Amino acid sequence: KNQVEQSPQSLIILEGKNCTLQCNYTVSPFSNLRWYKQDTGRGPVSLTIMTFSENTKSNGRYTATLDADTKQSSLHITASQLSDSASYICVVSVNTDKLIFGTGTRLQVFP
Amino acid sequence: DGGITQSPKYLFRKEGQNVTLSCEQNLNHDAMYWYRQDPGQGLRLIYYSQIVNDFQKGDIAEGYSVSREKKESFPLTVTSAQKNPTAFYLCASSTVPGLAGNEQYFGPGTRLTVT
Repeated sequence: KNQVEQSPQSLIILEGKNCTLQCNYTVSPFSNLRWYKQDTGRGPVSLTIMTFSENTKSNGRYTATLDADTKQSSLHITASQLSDSASYICVVSVNTDKLIFGTGTRLQVFP
Repeated sequence: DGGITQSPKYLFRKEGQNVTLSCEQNLNHDAMYWYRQDPGQGLRLIYYSQIVNDFQKGDIAEGYSVSREKKESFPLTVTSAQKNPTAFYLCASSTVPGLAGNEQYFGPGTRLTVT
């Protein structure tokens, strides 16, 4: 069964600290993996998208990694800001015609 | 949220009533999608359309209907047949038809509450 699991479910950190969110998937055949940021009550916004051959991609303070052998991805946030408080969703593409969404990690950044 | 608008942001309806959610995009995208988001669950695909006047069922189409008469518009009707309609509904669009091969841009969402 195609699945995307994210951990932790929720995370609280202090402003300025770094954090790493995890995504494990059992999806075949794999096409690409995306990370989205979703503010409360808003639509998701794309952070990164990686294909099979890419193992790291950055977008400002966000760095995503992908290990296609172990089927794991991580999203590292550097020097967190209050505006980073949101849900982060991992999405894996099956072949070219289906997206599998994870349930997300809810991050709260406190001053 | 790009050039995708959804209205209204909040919608309240009585059980047994049909309700239509609006989705408009000015990105000139060919493909449009409707998702449903529930607490503790990943987004689930309701319907998608890759071209005007054509659409396909997603994973949870029962109790929903759509139309695609214009490239810019993809309204979703939640019918009385939908058992648990209360949810957050998200519309998305993409340039190249095909669910997974390209970036999807999401609207701000509509929160529907049915009592």
